[in-house]
This record gives sequence, C-alpha cells and structure tokens, in this order.
Amino acid sequence: AQRVTQPEKLLSVFKGAPVELKCNYSYSGSPELFWYVQYSRQRLQLLLRHISRESIKGFTADLNKGETSFHLKKPFAQEEDSAMYYCALRGGTSGSRLTFGEGTQLTVNP
Amino acid sequence: DAMVIQNPRYQVTQFGKPVTLSCSQTLNHNVMYWYQQKSSQAPKLLFHYYDKDFNNEADTPDNFQSRRPNTSFCFLDIRSPGLGDAAMYLCATSSDSRGTQYFGPGTRLLVL
Repeated sequence: AQRVTQPEKLLSVFKGAPVELKCNYSYSGSPELFWYVQYSRQRLQLLLRHISRESIKGFTADLNKGETSFHLKKPFAQEEDSAMYYCALRGGTSGSRLTFGEGTQLTVNP
Repeated sequence: DAMVIQNPRYQVTQFGKPVTLSCSQTLNHNVMYWYQQKSSQAPKLLFHYYDKDFNNEADTPDNFQSRRPNTSFCFLDIRSPGLGDAAMYLCATSSDSRGTQYFGPGTRLLVL
C-alpha cells in the first residue's frame, strides 16, 4: 500500500522567513514524488517533481529514501506563496495513480 | 488556452437523484481521471480512462460510474447520491500514464 502523510494541516510564517512543508511517504518500491499547489480560487497544479531536481518559484524538494521524506523548502517565503500544498506519490507498479497527502495550508504573513 | 474544463462548477442534487458531472479537455490527452475530494481530505482517485480502457479503483463504490464517449469528454455518473457523496470532484488529464496530471477547477456537489 502507498500512503502520504503531511503532518501539518496549517503552517504560518512571516514574509522573508524560511519555510519547510513536511511530507513523509510509505511505499515499498521506487516512488515518484510530487508537490502540487492550489492558490486561492485556482485549480490544483504541479509545482515540482523529484525527478526534475529543479527549483520552481524558489521552492526545492529532495527525496530522502532513508527517511522516506520529500519535504518542500524555500529559504525566503513570499506572501504570494500562501496556498494549499499537496504532496503526492506515484508508485512504479501503480500505473498512473497519484496518492495525495491531506495537504498543508501555508499562510505567509506580511 | 488548452485546458481542462468542468461543468457545472456547482451542482446541487437531491438524495437518490442521479447526477452527471462533465469534464472536457482540449489537450488531446490519452488519460482522463476522476478524483473525489471531501472537506479537509486528500483527493482520492475514483477511476481513470486510458483512451477507451476503463480502470476502476478497487474501493470505488458501484454507485459511481463513468463514460468516455470520445477523447475530449469524460462523465462521472452518480446513480443514487447519498449525503456522504457531497464533495469536490476533480477531473484531470495526462498525455500518458506517467505524464504530468493537469487538473480542472472541480465541481462541488451538494446533496440535499
């Protein structure tokens, strides 16, 4: 079975502060990990995927297989980063199915 | 703009009255998905189509059905909605089974 856990439902930081959104997963094989973001009144959209190893909007995420984690980080949060963030997993044998975490609502205060 | 469109954005139905939600896409993607997202919960995959091949999730209730008459359209039919079926229903598409999934804005279903 595959499972994604986001331990924080709500996270609040001040503008310019570092932010880390936690994601842990459970999967026996080699997973693909993703972060999706949903801004207010907008649709769910892909932020980044671990295989791309890229930084999007200043966010990075490193897959740590030893700790089964894929935490999302940004060194200096901006107010426009306020959104709902979902971590998702796609297993190698599960075809196209994405398993989502319950999400973390990030609020960046001025 | 190529995109995923869901209609209606809000749907109110009565307990037990069949309802159909619609999704269309202009991306010409092979795969279309339906997710259910209840309040404060993770989106949960109900089923997906790879082209015309239907793939049901093992725990999707029989009350939920889907049709894909052509590449562009996919429908979610709820045969006898219960109060517990009130949720946001998300449609998504991808070019193939390993491609990025693109989501529609969702349809919020209310069951009275």
